[in-house]
Amino acid sequence: GQQLNQSPQSMFIQEGEDVSMNCTSSSIFNTWLWYKQDPGEGPVLLIALYKAGELTSNGRLTAQFGITRKDSFLNISASIPSDVGIYFCAGPNYGGSQGNLIFGKGTKLSVKP
Amino acid sequence: GAVVSQHPSRVICKSGTSVKIECRSLDFQATTMFWYRQFPKQSLMLMATSNEGSKATYEQGVEKDKFLINHASLTLSTLTVTSAHPEDSSFYICSARHSGAFQETQYFGPGTRLLVL
Repeated sequence: GQQLNQSPQSMFIQEGEDVSMNCTSSSIFNTWLWYKQDPGEGPVLLIALYKAGELTSNGRLTAQFGITRKDSFLNISASIPSDVGIYFCAGPNYGGSQGNLIFGKGTKLSVKP
Repeated sequence: GAVVSQHPSRVICKSGTSVKIECRSLDFQATTMFWYRQFPKQSLMLMATSNEGSKATYEQGVEKDKFLINHASLTLSTLTVTSAHPEDSSFYICSARHSGAFQETQYFGPGTRLLVL
């Protein structure tokens, strides 16, 4: 079945550094979504990608939809303490319930002031 | 982005009682909503798909008589945990499917922390 492999699993960085995380799949996706989840909260949509090769920014965040449609990356520039959280990639589960998503296992980001 | 609310945000109940959690899409209509469960330090696990006007679709291993879902309107889905037990303690999150002209995505509620004593 479809699986999303997200890496790295966790990152410990210094404030001000840039961050990069990615998601890969053995199957093709036509949508990639990136969410951030703070402790005790629901995931918040950061960036949605709908077209292969698409590069989209949201403030200091930039995400790209891989040209092969099997991968996506998320970059965070000049990290700040409030970037701390767990970042999930997600894509449509074509074999599952109507429109539900499958998620990567998440990248836990820690930022040291 | 679109807004999805959940109520209550946290609930503590005694074993054997039932708990109802509401999920509302505040600024869009959602014919489809999803209920997830999340254990500590893990990703979201889909429990069921809630469809307005029809029966919910449950994932394998999820007891439909235990987790009752009602999608009463285009903006409201409820999850009732019946006869709750301590092992039902978890973080429950709903999402609502938002469909645009050519694109769709899901927006999540803030989650409900359930503790069963």
